Amino acid sequence: DAKTTQPPSMDCAEGRAANLPCNHSTISGNEYVYWYRQIHSQGPQYIIHGLKNNETNEMASLIITEDRKSSTLILPHATLRDTAVYYCIVRVEGVGNAGNMLTFGGGTRLMVKP
Amino acid sequence: EPEVTQTPSHQVTQMGQEVILRCVPISNHLYFYWYRQILGQKVEFLVSFYNNEISEKSEIFDDQFSVERPDGSNFTLKIRSTKLEDSAMYFCASKRTANTGELFFGEGSRLTVL
Repeated sequence: DAKTTQPPSMDCAEGRAANLPCNHSTISGNEYVYWYRQIHSQGPQYIIHGLKNNETNEMASLIITEDRKSSTLILPHATLRDTAVYYCIVRVEGVGNAGNMLTFGGGTRLMVKP
Repeated sequence: EPEVTQTPSHQVTQMGQEVILRCVPISNHLYFYWYRQILGQKVEFLVSFYNNEISEKSEIFDDQFSVERPDGSNFTLKIRSTKLEDSAMYFCASKRTANTGELFFGEGSRLTVL
């Protein structure tokens, strides 16, 4: 799986949009971009994933650049409860990779401040 | 909403003792995982399990570790003879289909080896 690079930490004001960048310049055509977060020492939580189109769900939006070498996770109205470590993970999809595990990097520690 | 449950939430044991960590995955999920996170470090993959056998394992998952699904609901991780460096949070995860990276994680079991 391709390597990802994220800033180690970011701050965001409560109520503002949090934009978390991720570089994955070596991503290949069959690799999806996944985002997870880990609040304090809880289990990681899936947020969103995409291949090349922008995606949106009830938690966040994912913007993937046209060349797919980078992406941005957007939390539109950050709350204090969004304070967490956010992980950008690139993963091959497809039949036959049932055991294909997620590889977590260091992530970005997002601190939402009042 | 269905969730992955883990027991115990915290276990303290003496070095050299056997430990069993238990997980109840989401009921219609078929793929099961154990990850661990040493305090302050990354979330690390240990093992994946499908169709009653190990699909993939990491270098961490040596002969001291074993997994099984004894009764079709529980998914257990056994550490035969614990070492100090086994102290960590252990996370169980499950997913429904092969072709997804959307894993559902439990809240974790904290293992402290003295």
